[in-house]
Amino acid sequence: AQTVTQSQPEMSVQEAETVTLSCTYDTSESDYYLFWYKQPPSRQMILVIRQEAYKQQNATENRFSVNFQKAAKSFSLKISDSQLGDAAMYFCAYRSAGIGGKSSGDKLTFGTGTRLAVRP
Amino acid sequence: DAMVIQNPRYQVTQFGKPVTLSCSQTLNHNVMYWYQQKSSQAPKLLFHYYDKDFNNEADTPDNFQSRRPNTSFCFLDIRSPGLGDAAMYLCATSRAGLNNQPQHFGDGTRLSIL
Repeated sequence: AQTVTQSQPEMSVQEAETVTLSCTYDTSESDYYLFWYKQPPSRQMILVIRQEAYKQQNATENRFSVNFQKAAKSFSLKISDSQLGDAAMYFCAYRSAGIGGKSSGDKLTFGTGTRLAVRP
Repeated sequence: DAMVIQNPRYQVTQFGKPVTLSCSQTLNHNVMYWYQQKSSQAPKLLFHYYDKDFNNEADTPDNFQSRRPNTSFCFLDIRSPGLGDAAMYLCATSRAGLNNQPQHFGDGTRLSIL
């Protein structure tokens, strides 16, 4: 079974600065997908960025980028030019790429989350 | 906009009184999921429907049931809520088989038990 570890329960960043959230995972699979989700307080969980394991190039979405190190099984999220609206709980998630059939769907394995505070 | 809608946002019920939470989607996704999320924890998958097929997680208590009458709707039934069932319940959907497509989440229903 896969596991996802987020070793930073809480992080804090000054507005306009850069912060990196760490995520490591354990798997025996060679093909999979990784996601970062953002969950603001009392609000919907939304996708921040995704990465396919077969792609060597790190994914980037505006101010958000990842550092994907497949051999090290590491998937960190970098937030540049942090904004007050970035304050949220961030979850790293893993999904197998294999077609598991109806019993597995597209199930996600989540990390325990990192709470990010942004200081004005 | 296509979305996942959960009703109500907040639900209060009494200890032992059955309660139903609802989820609807306009994304036409074939998979729907129910998660339980307790404060400052990761979402815990309870079960999912792949089309009409129900798939229960091994550690989901029997107290939790689900119904999916059609593609758009899915319900979470808690037969006899206990104090430990107070949590946020998240519904999510996905189109299975589309590789890296993510799950889409609703706003959640926060359940309180009196």
